[in-house]
Amino acid sequence: QVQLQESGPGLVKPSETLSLTCTVSGGSISGFYWSWIRQSPGKGLEWIGYIYYNGITKYNPSLKSRVTISLDTSEKQFSLQLTSVTAADTAFYYCARQYYDNTYFFDYWGQGTLVTVSS
Amino acid sequence: SYELTQPPSVSVSPGQTASITCSGDKLGNKYTFWYEQKPGQSPVLVIYLDSKRPSGIPERFSGSNSGNTATLTITGTQAMDEADYYCQAWDSYTGGVFGGGTKLTVL
Repeated sequence: QVQLQESGPGLVKPSETLSLTCTVSGGSISGFYWSWIRQSPGKGLEWIGYIYYNGITKYNPSLKSRVTISLDTSEKQFSLQLTSVTAADTAFYYCARQYYDNTYFFDYWGQGTLVTVSS
Repeated sequence: SYELTQPPSVSVSPGQTASITCSGDKLGNKYTFWYEQKPGQSPVLVIYLDSKRPSGIPERFSGSNSGNTATLTITGTQAMDEADYYCQAWDSYTGGVFGGGTKLTVL
């Protein structure tokens, strides 16, 4: 059973960089896509971007200028960096495995971590 | 960018059938996925590729997709099905696209 666990600071100051890491266990990181998805409190889900095991990335156009997703296959981890954060970036951040079967969907999710942007 | 629209809320009586819709331009030409999210929990995939059920998902969950609308149907709805439900599709430009979510109330 694949398990994902997010980790990182729960509080980030405005204009600074949000950094989170997702650790994958119970399965291989190779051959799969790995995504970050966020959910503002009481709101819907927003896909942030993915990284393929070979390092190829794709980001949501609305966040592309501020997002970087990277991968450390030896540690079975992938990471999110979101720069120049504002209060609008306050959200639960989920990491997920993005599966390809004719198209892409999310079959395993982490428990999520709340990141608050505040001074 | 591609958008998916869901009703904010749906109510159903226990044992009845709940239908949650998801609308998007030519959505029937894409595959649709459905996730259930209970309070304080992560989303769980309940329908993939329009109508398939992952292992462990009860048979009362089913899905369809045609034209501009995909539908999640819960037959014989139980109190435990009370949750938020999100549809999702993949767009070549936008990437992962989610509907705004539907709160299912069982009363």
